Amino acid sequence: GNSVTQMEGPVTLSEEAFLTINCTYTATGYPSLFWYVQYPGEGLQLLLKATKADDKGSNKGFEATYRKETTSFHLEKGSVQVSDSAVYFCALSDRSNYQLIWGAGTKLIIKP
Amino acid sequence: EAGVAQSPRYKIIEKRQSVAFWCNPISGHATLYWYQQILGQGPKLLIQFQNNGVVDDSQLPKDRFSAERLKGVDSTLKIQPAKLEDSAVYLCASSFQQGDYGYTFGSGTRLTVV
Repeated sequence: GNSVTQMEGPVTLSEEAFLTINCTYTATGYPSLFWYVQYPGEGLQLLLKATKADDKGSNKGFEATYRKETTSFHLEKGSVQVSDSAVYFCALSDRSNYQLIWGAGTKLIIKP
Repeated sequence: EAGVAQSPRYKIIEKRQSVAFWCNPISGHATLYWYQQILGQGPKLLIQFQNNGVVDDSQLPKDRFSAERLKGVDSTLKIQPAKLEDSAVYLCASSFQQGDYGYTFGSGTRLTVV
């Protein structure tokens, strides 16, 4: 069945460091891929998405490229800020029912 | 555009008591989801509505959980009786229609069962 695997956290970085959070998936067909962010005490927010191979989603300085050959959708940011501290979830959309399959989440801690 | 509204934000109950959560989706969003998020885990889908019909409730523990969406707008999720393992954040989300549009989530209700 479909599944999403994320790197375990927490990931701790200093401000202005480069960020990569790895996400790989297993799916039949060609799912859409998403990154969601959950700030402390808040609900989930859609950060970015990509709907087909080689698409790049981007938002708020974050980017992720849909890599079909490696079944990956890694999240990157060139220079992180303390305000980026949150939990990041990778997810895929099962096109048979448009339900989201979620990774376990990666907690990101940015130190000043 | 107003977001997805949920209430209450927090609830503490004793085991075997009942509890209800309310969700008001974004106006015009036909699809509504209830998720359970246990601390440290990703969200788990409990039930999906399309207008006021149930699309998928395969992961809803129907012996204790129930949900309804009257008139295809607001929705309530009920737990009766609650167990300790029901302690979680209950998230409501809505989308314009089924598809790859991403969902809009509410802030959730944090339930603690003691």
